[in-house]
Amino acid sequence: AQSVTQLDSQVPVFEEAPVELRCNYSSSVSVYLFWYVQYPNQGLQLLLKYLSGSTLVKGINGFEAEFNKSQTSFHLRKPSVHISDTAEYFCAVSELVGKLIFGQGTTLQVKP
Amino acid sequence: GAGVSQSPSNKVTEKGKDVELRCDPISGHTALYWYRQSLGQGLEFLIYFQGNSAPDKSGLPSDRFSAERTGGSVSTLTIQRTQQEDSAVYLCASSSMTGGTEAFFGQGTRLTVV
Repeated sequence: AQSVTQLDSQVPVFEEAPVELRCNYSSSVSVYLFWYVQYPNQGLQLLLKYLSGSTLVKGINGFEAEFNKSQTSFHLRKPSVHISDTAEYFCAVSELVGKLIFGQGTTLQVKP
Repeated sequence: GAGVSQSPSNKVTEKGKDVELRCDPISGHTALYWYRQSLGQGLEFLIYFQGNSAPDKSGLPSDRFSAERTGGSVSTLTIQRTQQEDSAVYLCASSSMTGGTEAFFGQGTRLTVV
């Protein structure tokens, strides 16, 4: 069965600093990988996804993630964060046919 | 509507009562998910429907929880004999198919058991 581990529950960072939110997964088969974001008091929305092809995936709001098959990781990065990036970030995995499984979430706190 | 719609948005119920939570997925979406979001607990998978296949119920925490999807569209999550630990936000999502397609989420139903 697949699973997702987000290694940091909270990540505090100053505005304009770079940030990396870590995600590792386990699965016995090929997977699709996703990052979702949940802004305060809002629903979840898709940031980016990896299906196949280039291992570097670019998403909305300047975020990108890199799929590393050997390390079974899909870390999310942004070179310079804004206050408005403060939110909960969820990494998720699904197999070719099957349910979407989420990690525990990482709270990104951007400080002025 | 254009998005996933959940009702009610908030529900307060007494311990021991049954509750029903409704989800209207995006029209034409064949996959439908229910998740539970508790404070500090992330998104807990509950149940997953895909087309006419038997649902994946592996995430339901107890036999007090059940869900159905009528006509391949609207879904209802039922919690019988509610307990205080059932208090959470229940999220529904739908996608056009399984695998690499985006899941679209509703705003959730906040359930409080008193």
